Amino acid sequence: QSALTQPASVSGSPGQSITISCTGTSSDVGSYNLVSWYQQHPGKAPKLMIYDVSKRPSGVSNRFSGSKSGNTASLTISGLQAEDEADYYCCSYGGGSTLVFGGGTKLTVL
Amino acid sequence: QLQLQESGPGLVKPSETLSLTCTVSGGSISSRSHYWGWIRQPPGKGLEWMGSINYSGSTYYNPSLKSRVTISVDTSKNQFSLRLSSVTAADTAVYYCAKTTTDGYSGYLSWGQGTLVTVSS
Repeated sequence: QSALTQPASVSGSPGQSITISCTGTSSDVGSYNLVSWYQQHPGKAPKLMIYDVSKRPSGVSNRFSGSKSGNTASLTISGLQAEDEADYYCCSYGGGSTLVFGGGTKLTVL
Repeated sequence: QLQLQESGPGLVKPSETLSLTCTVSGGSISSRSHYWGWIRQPPGKGLEWMGSINYSGSTYYNPSLKSRVTISVDTSKNQFSLRLSSVTAADTAVYYCAKTTTDGYSGYLSWGQGTLVTVSS
């Protein structure tokens, strides 16, 4: 069970859209619609932003959206705001009643 | 509103057992719809899923930690616990407890604030 692959960093200007990818295998991301995304600000606990690939928990801005194609899931943030600057982690069901996280992506708002 | 709070020693000696408890308030740990999990984060690094437990006490562990991890639940106290044996410096991390959405593997909706555990003599 290997960690999912995310870019180490992405950046964008306020108002722009950015996409963070999360690449797994046919044993995890590719086989299940159980991908979630978390936002983590420094010194804080992670916050669930997307679950089941594309569902948003109550209270999460609709600027955040998720999708999946094959073994790669994606998180898109539209209308980028300064408060979106944070680390983002994807997570997938890995089969065998296990979960696997991605290595994390640092989002910088320029 | 559901709240989770981790508690336990902040310093553990190498080769000893790390023990943490997560106290749940504002909701019942006996809910049939949710799983309760432990996730850790070494300083400056990413998140690692350690394992989870459901209302009936069924447990699920990260294969890389399975031989050292035990998760248990105490419904009378509305708590669940983590034990990690034979710790080394590599187990130094912030440990989070969390609760899933209505599916055991959809995502962790509620999180504790996290507790830093340092492994050092």
